[in-house]
Amino acid sequence: EVQLVESGGGLVKPGESLRLSCAASGFTFNTYTMNWVRQAPGKGLEWVSSISSSSVYIYYADSVRGRFTISRDNAKNSLYLQMDSLRAEDTGVYYCARSPTVFDYWGQGTLVTVSS
Amino acid sequence: EIVLTQSPGTLSLSPGERATLSCRASQSVSSSYLAWYHQKPGQAPRLLIFGASSRATGIPDRFTGSGSGTDFTLTISRLEPEDFAVYYCQHYGSSPPRWTFGQGTKVEIK
Repeated sequence: EVQLVESGGGLVKPGESLRLSCAASGFTFNTYTMNWVRQAPGKGLEWVSSISSSSVYIYYADSVRGRFTISRDNAKNSLYLQMDSLRAEDTGVYYCARSPTVFDYWGQGTLVTVSS
Repeated sequence: EIVLTQSPGTLSLSPGERATLSCRASQSVSSSYLAWYHQKPGQAPRLLIFGASSRATGIPDRFTGSGSGTDFTLTISRLEPEDFAVYYCQHYGSSPPRWTFGQGTKVEIK
């Protein structure tokens, strides 16, 4: 069974940093592109970042480019999102999702709140 | 940049009724890269349809996706209680790679 379990969310102040993790199991992690997708409270879905299976190709949404860094450790079956210079508008639930073109499996999400 | 516009914003229907949801792209897109998801309160989204018309694993046949070019439709033939949720369309663009979602359609119980 495919499982994606996010962790690392929490309450931080504007300008601070946070690192999210996603532990994957039940599939061959090192053959899939992985992604972060977020959802602001009461709002829709927004793709944040994508990393290819071997980390060669990395992409970001314009809204986070230069502040967020996606990475993965295939030996640990884990995906990460380093979030720096956080803003209030980064508040939301962050989901880890498997692709490559559609998101066929999602984690349950971890809540990030950026507030002073 | 492709923008996906979903309509209506909210659909109020009764169990057993037919639901028709629309997703319109700001320019023609490949059907191969058009997907639909639904999301129940407090849960992660779930993939329903990929390639505009192919049902994902475990998705019942009351869900049908159709369309091409700029206009795509998700039809739920007979609403079951578990179908009341928010539905999103999504497109994958390859140059550069990016994933775009529509703003969602809420299907609520009338």
